[in-house]
Amino acid sequence: EPEVTQTPSHQVTQMGQEVILRCVPISNHLYFYWYRQILGQKVEFLVSFYNNEISEKSEIFDDQFSVERPDGSNFTLKIRSTKLEDSAMYFCASSPWLAGLGKENTQYFGPGTRLTVL
Amino acid sequence: SQQGEEDPQALSIQEGENATMNCSYKTSINNLQWYRQNSGRGLVHLILIRSNEREKHSGRLRVTLDTSKKSSSLLITASRAADTASYFCATDWGGGADGLTFGKGTHLIIQP
Repeated sequence: EPEVTQTPSHQVTQMGQEVILRCVPISNHLYFYWYRQILGQKVEFLVSFYNNEISEKSEIFDDQFSVERPDGSNFTLKIRSTKLEDSAMYFCASSPWLAGLGKENTQYFGPGTRLTVL
Repeated sequence: SQQGEEDPQALSIQEGENATMNCSYKTSINNLQWYRQNSGRGLVHLILIRSNEREKHSGRLRVTLDTSKKSSSLLITASRAADTASYFCATDWGGGADGLTFGKGTHLIIQP
């Protein structure tokens, strides 16, 4: 069964450094998402991406964050200058939802990347 | 903004018993979904219920939705040790680009 994959599983970085988290969504899916989960807290939506552009973003997704789909398979989240409070699990998700053809928005999540900022 | 809030925060039961978790939310929704998360792992989709549905079944799972009370429940019947995990409800407005709004989750422990 197809899965969303994410690399690396764990990333340790120094405060102020740039990090790129990588995701390979399920191949025939059209919508892509990033979420984060700070230890012990809720899963929080960051951004959604469709047709090579951002569709929706939360207040968390400020100018320090960017997303890109550099090729037909990868979907990346870049944090330009990491802060201590960026330490969290980052989840990528994808959805096959086709606009106008249905109302379901089942999102399939990857295993996550644990980001530790020192 | 929408919020899903589950209760109880933690639930410990004996294997074979039924487990019921509840979720409340604040604003109108299009769909409500339940996800499972094993410790330190990703989120696994369990079941989706649309706002015009009242009950849905999938294997040992039964989900109900009461839009008048803005609440949902997840029932796991005949629980197994492997059901030990955190369970989250998540809501959306219905657009494909919608980010899901998650609750804080219920941590379920099944005692063998």
